[in-house]
Amino acid sequence: DSGVTQTPKHLITATGQRVTLRCSPRSGDLSVYWYQQSLDQGLQFLIQYYNGEERAKGNILERFSAQQFPDLHSELNLSSLELGDSALYFCASSVDRTGNRNGYTFGSGTRLTVV
Amino acid sequence: AQSVTQPDIHITVSEGASLELRCNYSYGATPYLFWYVQSPGQGLQLLLKYFSGDTLVQGIKGFEAEFKRSQSSFNLRKPSVHWSDAAEYFCAVGAGGNKLVFGAGTILRVKS
Repeated sequence: DSGVTQTPKHLITATGQRVTLRCSPRSGDLSVYWYQQSLDQGLQFLIQYYNGEERAKGNILERFSAQQFPDLHSELNLSSLELGDSALYFCASSVDRTGNRNGYTFGSGTRLTVV
Repeated sequence: AQSVTQPDIHITVSEGASLELRCNYSYGATPYLFWYVQSPGQGLQLLLKYFSGDTLVQGIKGFEAEFKRSQSSFNLRKPSVHWSDAAEYFCAVGAGGNKLVFGAGTILRVKS
C-alpha cells in the first residue's frame, strides 16, 4: 500500500457519459498529480494541484476537469466520454510543489473502459 | 525546461544475466533523478533517486543507478535479473521549480 488511494479501481461506462475519479493523497502530501496511461500514448501528465490551487497543466482535454478540496483529496471529472478515453488514470502525490527531492508516490490507478 | 530520453522501448534479457537500462536527460545543472518500476496493471513504484553526493545510488530490489554528469546519463543496472523483474521502467528528472518529467519507459522482458 503506497498510501495514495484511488477509487474506483475499475469503471466501465458508455460513450457520452460522465465519470468522477477520486484520489486521496498520502498523509502529509500537499500536491496531487493526475496522469493518463494508454498503450498508444504512454504516460501523459494531465494536471497538478498544490494545496488546493492548480499549479501545472499538461495535455488535459477541455472535457476533463479536476479540483483539489480543502481536505486535499482530489477528483478528476471526465465528461462526454469517447472510446479513446479508455485508459489507466493514475494519481500521484508529493509533499512539496515539485516532488523533486523525494519523488512522487503513485496510487494503483483507476482503469476506465468506455464502451 | 528539463527533458528525459529512454532510448530503448523494449529490452529482453535472460534470467540471471545482467541488465542496464539507459536514461539520458537534458538540463543545464544537476537535476534530481529517479527510476520507477511499473508491474502490469499496477502503479509506479520508486526504485531509487539521486540528487547529490555519491554518484552511484542503491535502490530496492537489488537495483543501482549511476549518475554521469559528463554523459547526462542516469542508467539503471542490476547484476542478475530475476523473472519477477519483468516490468516497465521509467526514468524521471526534476529540476528547478518544475514538476518531474518522465521518460517514455522501457519494457523489460525476461526469458528463462
